[in-house]
Amino acid sequence: SAVISQKPSRDICQRGTSLTIQCQVDSQVTMMFWYRQQPGQSLTLIATANQGSEATYESGFVIDKFPISRPNLTFSTLTVSNMSPEDSSIYLCSVTRAADTEAFFGQGTRLTVV
Amino acid sequence: AQRVTQPEKLLSVFKGAPVELKCNYSYSGSPELFWYVQYSRQRLQLLLRHISRESIKGFTADLNKGETSFHLKKPFAQEEDSAMYYCALYNFNKFYFGSGTKLNVKP
Repeated sequence: SAVISQKPSRDICQRGTSLTIQCQVDSQVTMMFWYRQQPGQSLTLIATANQGSEATYESGFVIDKFPISRPNLTFSTLTVSNMSPEDSSIYLCSVTRAADTEAFFGQGTRLTVV
Repeated sequence: AQRVTQPEKLLSVFKGAPVELKCNYSYSGSPELFWYVQYSRQRLQLLLRHISRESIKGFTADLNKGETSFHLKKPFAQEEDSAMYYCALYNFNKFYFGSGTKLNVKP
């Protein structure tokens, strides 16, 4: 298994500011993903965090709004930039290992933008 | 394009009753399908995957390629089964999740 520590667990932020969410895994993993989960809705993939290179973003998500870093095989950050109330959501970090498609999840970051 | 559909947002059953959570998918190849579960105040975790063909906590799910379905079943629901259940499809290093079904097992 993989144990994921995601910080912060929740935050209330002013509109126009930015928040950086951290995802730390207890062992090396192959893939790291960032999801958004809006109330009552499914998990939407924001991007795949690539180690040492730019993240791969899904349609509707851009680097300027959601810059992502992954400096090594166990750590990644997601920044939500220039926040608006529409960014209020739960943000989830997820990982998979090589040769296994089971996904492991962090506990999520509940973001409220006021 | 890949798509996973869970038609029921909420499913309420009494303890001891059978339960079936529906999942349909659209995918042209051979899918790899999963059920994930999120209990109250816990993180999302794997319940079962179709390739393992095993029963976890009394739950089973059979892949029906003809009907493009992967319904989750349990013959006798327990109160501790109350949770959010997500069906997911894995393809090209990505997961596609359904919108989830909240299962409420009443005493």
